[in-house]
Amino acid sequence: EDQVTQSPEALRLQEGESSSLNCSYTVSGLRGLFWYRQDPGKGPEFLFTLYSAGEEKEKERLKATLTKKESFLHITAPKPEDSATYLCAVQARGGSYIPTFGRGTSLIVHP
Amino acid sequence: EPEVTQTPSHQVTQMGQEVILRCVPISNHLYFYWYRQILGQKVEFLVSFYNNEISEKSEIFDDQFSVERPDGSNFTLKIRSTKLEDSAMYFCASGGEGSYNEQFFGPGTRLTVL
Repeated sequence: EDQVTQSPEALRLQEGESSSLNCSYTVSGLRGLFWYRQDPGKGPEFLFTLYSAGEEKEKERLKATLTKKESFLHITAPKPEDSATYLCAVQARGGSYIPTFGRGTSLIVHP
Repeated sequence: EPEVTQTPSHQVTQMGQEVILRCVPISNHLYFYWYRQILGQKVEFLVSFYNNEISEKSEIFDDQFSVERPDGSNFTLKIRSTKLEDSAMYFCASGGEGSYNEQFFGPGTRLTVL
């Protein structure tokens, strides 16, 4: 069974304090790994797709990296507006495209 | 910027009643999805829809659920006889070609079953 584990569950940072969120996954073969941002009471907002180990993608203060077992979402010099829940989802190779989501990491950035 | 819209934002219903949740996907998208998120839990895939038919569905999507694209703009999720455990946020998403790579989610409908 495909599994996605995100850590930590919650993270509090001071503005400007860089950190990383982790997404560990167990799939028979990875088709793609997705990062989303979710604000309270809203739908997930797509951030990145990663396909193969070693791949990196960046957007503003966020950088996502991928290894064969995990992905990291690095947040550099975060601002209060980066506060949100960050979701990771994986798609396994094979006939199904159904994504498996993790529980997310709730990030709060204090001014 | 185009976006996915959903109505209503909040639906309260009695157990056993039928509900229809509505979505207007982004206009040039071809792939449509429904997800649900029970409070405090993971986002769960329900169903995907392409070319006027279901392409995949999860174990959650049983005979009580159905989807329809009644016209060129709307995409609906019907729950025939709601149960207490159907209470959740329901998200619609849409995507273009190769869309599992990038899905655009709507704001969700909060369904409360009493």
